[in-house]
Amino acid sequence: GAVVSQHPSRVICKSGTSVKIECRSLDFQATTMFWYRQFPKQSLMLMATSNEGSKATYEQGVEKDKFLINHASLTLSTLTVTSAHPEDSSFYICSARDRRNTGAGNTIYFGEGSWLTVV
Amino acid sequence: GDSVTQMEGPVTLSEEAFLTINCTYTATGYPSLFWYVQYPGEGLQLLLKATKADDKGSNKGFEATYRKETTSFHLEKGSVQVSDSAVYFCALPSNRDDKIIFGKGTRLHILP
Repeated sequence: GAVVSQHPSRVICKSGTSVKIECRSLDFQATTMFWYRQFPKQSLMLMATSNEGSKATYEQGVEKDKFLINHASLTLSTLTVTSAHPEDSSFYICSARDRRNTGAGNTIYFGEGSWLTVV
Repeated sequence: GDSVTQMEGPVTLSEEAFLTINCTYTATGYPSLFWYVQYPGEGLQLLLKATKADDKGSNKGFEATYRKETTSFHLEKGSVQVSDSAVYFCALPSNRDDKIIFGKGTRLHILP
């Protein structure tokens, strides 16, 4: 089946530095990728929708200058957390929609997630 | 707005026990409903879905029935296994294309 790969799976960075998380669709092209964030004991919350070749669409309350999203190709989207702080420590997970299919749910594939710890 | 509420975990059961994880939703109209599962160290996977009222989704021994009257989509399995230990998310698509709204997730521990 379709696979979405995220890298790194775990990362620890110092406060004030930036960290990049990659999301790749391995066997399909994704015109749209989604970035979610999950705090402990909370639900997955959509941060932004990443569209290939255009600017990402951010959800209300998400700082676009802090969470930079780039979707430069049909198989790669990156999330860069700039000037990270301990409160940015969280689980980040991406999903990708196979451009060949329509509809929600069964055509969306999720990555393994990335644990970010800012110390 | 649309939302999903599911029972909080963790839920700990012995192997071969009966499982129910409750999920209720609030939505405009009658959206499709999903259960996703996240096994340790892996990404989310679609476990099952139902697209209209009274539909029953099933997969890997799990079942969930779309109940319009009670706005529920409870996940059930008759006999759980240790390998079912995971986090389960109830979800529905928002009225925006492809955006999925998730419940908080229920962590399930199955003891041998």
